Amino acid sequence: DVKVTQSSRYLVKRTGEKVFLECVQDMDHENMFWYRQDPGLGLRLIYFSYDVKMKEKGDIPEGYSVSREKKERFSLILESASTNQTSMYLCASSSPGRANEQFFGPGTRLTVL
Amino acid sequence: GNSVTQMEGPVTLSEEAFLTINCTYTATGYPSLFWYVQYPGEGLQLLLKATKADDKGSNKGFEATYRKETTSFHLEKGSVQVSDSAVYFCALGGANAGKSTFGDGTTLTVKP
Repeated sequence: DVKVTQSSRYLVKRTGEKVFLECVQDMDHENMFWYRQDPGLGLRLIYFSYDVKMKEKGDIPEGYSVSREKKERFSLILESASTNQTSMYLCASSSPGRANEQFFGPGTRLTVL
Repeated sequence: GNSVTQMEGPVTLSEEAFLTINCTYTATGYPSLFWYVQYPGEGLQLLLKATKADDKGSNKGFEATYRKETTSFHLEKGSVQVSDSAVYFCALGGANAGKSTFGDGTTLTVKP
């Protein structure tokens, strides 16, 4: 069964801390994505990657960075967490070979105090 | 650019009622179209898809037909159940590194 896993389901951090959210997929997918989901705002794309070490900004990259050192792993980094980054974070992966259907992880609910 | 307009919610139905959630899109080319479902506390999962015009996607009693002439991909189910309560997202598949365009989501609540 194909799978996207995220390192934590729930995370609580303090303002100013550096936060790492990890995502791993076991499907050998080329593309990986980070979204945040907030009530009334739908899904918003933060960053995506179409190959190892390649990344592109999405719609709301400010305050975030990403790392993709291996094909299966895509990390989202909050350099200095702020309260307005409290949100649900969703990771996804896709492959052109499957019509770019996106496979999602279970999400990480991050609270920044 | 690509865009997806999805019926606003929330939608509340009684069990066994007929469901339609409207979705229209604007796109260049002929993208694949998807419906994703998100159950409470979970990530999104694929519900159904269609990859070309006139294709019908179906799964778990849900159906949607890729209508190129009306640029629509409406989701339907003949008889909803309480377990169908969830948020439903319409999406366009992307050619740019697989970057998809999502609608805002429609929250469905089904009451017994």
